[in-house]
Amino acid sequence: NAGVTQTPKFQVLKTGQSMTLQCAQDMNHNSMYWYRQDPGMGLRLIYYSASEGTTDKGEVPNGYNVSRLNKREFSLRLESAAPSQTSVYFCASSTVRDGNSPLHFGNGTRLTVT
Amino acid sequence: QKEVEQDPGPLSVPEGAIVSLNCTYSNSAFQYFMWYRQYSRKGPELLMYTYSSGNKEDGRFTAQVDKSSKYISLFIRDSQPSDSATYLCAMSANSGAGSYQLTFGKGTKLSVIP
Repeated sequence: NAGVTQTPKFQVLKTGQSMTLQCAQDMNHNSMYWYRQDPGMGLRLIYYSASEGTTDKGEVPNGYNVSRLNKREFSLRLESAAPSQTSVYFCASSTVRDGNSPLHFGNGTRLTVT
Repeated sequence: QKEVEQDPGPLSVPEGAIVSLNCTYSNSAFQYFMWYRQYSRKGPELLMYTYSSGNKEDGRFTAQVDKSSKYISLFIRDSQPSDSATYLCAMSANSGAGSYQLTFGKGTKLSVIP
């Protein structure tokens, strides 16, 4: 099984450009998440989708939008990229959104904004 | 005081050593405790998962939770170079009214020297 698949793996953007990060899971999980990971900051939750049809803000949502396209797919969009959004972005999924459902992560998208 | 504290290291040990990785936390509502392993340029992968206090063993890995001290540990016996990675602790709580909280430590970078 592929688990959680993220595309692209790497991306370089200029300030002001837009892009969409794609994520798909094949584990029939209900909940999906987008995190960013920065040196010294750890993993920070951007947005999550507890179930198909719902999305909610996490800790650092500003500058991002998300779409839960269907049960498998959850995309993250940067409308106008800024250098502060240079980071590694991880998508994750879990059976449901509760403590008894650990997260499963993809391998990340490394984004540089110049 | 941050909710979850984890020494970032780096920690360097010789092959075959016993490794102890630790996290402290302040939120007494945390009930579920996880350890993730993250290899360079990869996503975090779930290593150990425990509920409430006590020990859990899986091969060379032992997870220990002491809720009275708000302290969790991961022990690695007979450490191998392949254990070289960043180890993230994570903990979660299901709170009232359907709310849920998952918090990660910032990770400890471990190097096992042959």
